[in-house]
Amino acid sequence: GQQVMQIPQYQHVQEGEDFTTYCNSSTTLSNIQWYKQRPGGHPVFLIQLVKSGEVKKQKRLTFQFGEAKKNSSLHITATQTTDVGTYFCAGDTGGFKTIFGAGTRLFVKA
Amino acid sequence: DTGVSQDPRHKITKRGQNVTFRCDPISEHNRLYWYRQTLGQGPEFLTYFQNEAQLEKSRLLSDRFSAERPKGSFSTLEIQRTEQGDSAMYLCASRLSGNSGNTIYFGEGSWLTVV
Repeated sequence: GQQVMQIPQYQHVQEGEDFTTYCNSSTTLSNIQWYKQRPGGHPVFLIQLVKSGEVKKQKRLTFQFGEAKKNSSLHITATQTTDVGTYFCAGDTGGFKTIFGAGTRLFVKA
Repeated sequence: DTGVSQDPRHKITKRGQNVTFRCDPISEHNRLYWYRQTLGQGPEFLTYFQNEAQLEKSRLLSDRFSAERPKGSFSTLEIQRTEQGDSAMYLCASRLSGNSGNTIYFGEGSWLTVV
């Protein structure tokens, strides 16, 4: 069945270092979404990419959607302690069923 | 505040008991989703509704699980004869239908502990 794989599972960085998480789908997605979940919280929507090859930026965060619409990445420049949490990618299959990756947990050491 | 409300936020129940969770989506959203999340994992799709119609149901949803959205507004998720493996956070989310570009908004989740 449809799968969305996300790597790495977790990453420890020193504050100020960059961070990247990667997302791969077994099938073509109609869109890719990224969410952030703080410990004890619920997923909060960050951004959605729809077009092949699309790149979007939000301050220190850069999101990319692959040309084949099967992969995506989230890059954070110069991490801060407020970036701590788990970052999930999620993609829509046909029919609006949204499948989530397992997430990448980011730890930032001050 | 995302506007999606879930109740109760926390539930501790004995194995074998039935539990019901309620979700009130954002009022104009006609798509409603249920997910289950365990520690260290991403949300696992359970089912979703377009208005009152249940359009898809995951194989994860055994016969002990049932979801309804009788009037196309709020939804309930019932788990019968709970087992310890049902312990998880149950997330509800809602979305406008239309193109696939519409954002999913999550509620804060209902934590279930089966003892």
